[in-house]
Amino acid sequence: KAGVTQTPRYLIKTRGQQVTLSCSPISGHRSVSWYQQTPGQGLQFLFEYFSETQRNKGNFPGRFSGRQFSNSRSEMNVSTLELGDSALYLCASSLRGNNSPLHFGNGTRLTVT
Amino acid sequence: GQQLNQSPQSMFIQEGEDVSMNCTSSSIFNTWLWYKQDPGEGPVLLIALYKAGELTSNGRLTAQFGITRKDSFLNISASIPSDVGIYFCAGHSTQGGSEKLVFGKGTKLTVNP
Repeated sequence: KAGVTQTPRYLIKTRGQQVTLSCSPISGHRSVSWYQQTPGQGLQFLFEYFSETQRNKGNFPGRFSGRQFSNSRSEMNVSTLELGDSALYLCASSLRGNNSPLHFGNGTRLTVT
Repeated sequence: GQQLNQSPQSMFIQEGEDVSMNCTSSSIFNTWLWYKQDPGEGPVLLIALYKAGELTSNGRLTAQFGITRKDSFLNISASIPSDVGIYFCAGHSTQGGSEKLVFGKGTKLTVNP
């Protein structure tokens, strides 16, 4: 079974630009969650989608948004990039969220200059 | 908000030694998860615990869900060089009808051959 696939692996953007990251969950998994990982803050929850609906949201500004498609694939968008947005963005899928273990992709390393 | 205190932050051990790390919280969790992250990759699920008092093994790894539901530990026996990485605990809870997964800040393990 293929794991969680995230594209691209690496991305370099400049301040003020916007970026879209993509995530394909494990086949059959309907819940997709996004996390931001930085050395100082660890893993911070961004949001979770289930059946194309945002089910949970973390404490991030509105510049961070996402969506999920009918095939469970998900995208995350960050607008008006700031230097502090440089991080590893991890996508994780689970069968249905709600206590199901998360399975992570290898992340997208975003660098904002 | 909910927080997980994971300790130690880092460990330097000799190959063959046993390792123990733990996570504690003032909050109650329904599920405890342990992940390992290698450089440049996403976290990989090692063990999932679903019941208070549960003790589960996965090869040389053993983890327990604390009786109070506020803590968990992970033991690694007879460590080998490939055990190097960052280990994360994560606790899953339901608050206000909303599911939350909270991560510890990680334990960085170095194994000297």
